Amino acid sequence: EPEVTQTPSHQVTQMGQEVILRCVPISNHLYFYWYRQILGQKVEFLVSFYNNEISEKSEIFDDQFSVERPDGSNFTLKIRSTKLEDSAMYFCASGRGSGGANVLTFGAGSRLTVL
Amino acid sequence: GENVEQHPSTLSVQEGDSAVIKCTYSDSASNYFPWYKQELGKRPQLIIDIRSNVGEKKDQRIAVTLNKTAKHFSLHITETQPEDSAVYFCAASGGSYIPTFGRGTSLIVHP
Repeated sequence: EPEVTQTPSHQVTQMGQEVILRCVPISNHLYFYWYRQILGQKVEFLVSFYNNEISEKSEIFDDQFSVERPDGSNFTLKIRSTKLEDSAMYFCASGRGSGGANVLTFGAGSRLTVL
Repeated sequence: GENVEQHPSTLSVQEGDSAVIKCTYSDSASNYFPWYKQELGKRPQLIIDIRSNVGEKKDQRIAVTLNKTAKHFSLHITETQPEDSAVYFCAASGGSYIPTFGRGTSLIVHP
């Protein structure tokens, strides 16, 4: 079964440092997403990406965040200057977006710890 | 934007009992309602979904019902087993293809 893969699985960084989280979505999917989940809380939408551009973003996704699809397979989330409150599990997801519904497949997540 | 409310936040049942988790949504344009199961430290995984043109869908011990008029949908798990213990998230999405998640229900099934 196709999978969404994420790297790294866990990253520890100092406050103020830049972090890049990487994702390889399922190859025939067209919609890509980043969600985050603070420990014990709900899954929160950050950003969606379609047709090589951001299609929608949440209030959380401020100027410190950016996304890129640098080649045909990778989808990255960059946090420019990390804050303590950025500590969370970051999930990448992808979907085909067909038939009026979008079934998302999630990656295993990247746990970010900001010290 | 869409707002999804989910109840209860915690549900404790005995093995073999049924469990029901309820969600409401705000955007009448939402037309797709997935349910995800998240085991501790793992990714959310789709367990069942329903589209707005269907009122009920069943897959073995799990079923989902949708009431479009009232804008609520529910997950039903029958004959619960300890391995059903997890956090369950409902979600709703529409034309934007962006699921909005509920806050999650921690289901505990006691042997």
